[in-house]
Amino acid sequence: EVQLLESGGVLVQPGGSLRLSCAASGFIFSGYAMSWVRQAPGKGLEWVSTITANSGTTYYSDSVKGRFTISRDNSQNTLYLQMNSLRAEDTAVFFCSKDQVFGDGYINFDYWGQGTLVTVSS
Amino acid sequence: DIQMTQSPSSLSASVGDRVTITCRASQSIRSHLNWYQQKPGKAPKLLIYAASSLQSEVPSRFTGSGSGTDFTLTISSLQLEDFATYYCQQSYTTPITFGQGTRLEIK
Repeated sequence: EVQLLESGGVLVQPGGSLRLSCAASGFIFSGYAMSWVRQAPGKGLEWVSTITANSGTTYYSDSVKGRFTISRDNSQNTLYLQMNSLRAEDTAVFFCSKDQVFGDGYINFDYWGQGTLVTVSS
Repeated sequence: DIQMTQSPSSLSASVGDRVTITCRASQSIRSHLNWYQQKPGKAPKLLIYAASSLQSEVPSRFTGSGSGTDFTLTISSLQLEDFATYYCQQSYTTPITFGQGTRLEIK
């Protein structure tokens, strides 16, 4: 059974830093791209970042580019999101997802964790 | 960026109803369109991928169609457990973008 468990979400002051983790199990972690998606309170889903299976390529939304860094440790089956220079508008539940990539570049997020809440406030 | 627009934003329906949600992309995304269901306080769940392929273990009352810029998600006969928020997502290019969501409520 695929399981994704996020952790690291806390209350942090504006300008602060935080690292989220996502522990994966139930699948061959090193074989799949992974992503982070966030959801501000009462709002819709926003894609944040994606990393390929071998960490060769990373992608970011414009809203986090230069402030957030996605990484992974395939030996520990863990995905990370390092978040710096946090702003109030970064307040959200952050979900990690396992990515299914197939065919002519088709991508979907077939499994999701339950999310971890990041609150940026003074 | 590719903008995804869902309609309606909210919808009231009854158990047994047939419901259709529409998603329009601001430019062609071929069939790179996925649908997710989200219940309050829960993670999203993949329903349909590549516009019309049913994810494993998702009931067959869910169907997706469309290509290019216009897509639909249809629920043939609503069940109580289907009342939730639905999101479309384009994965044709980064940034990956979601529609704003359609809240499906019990009438």
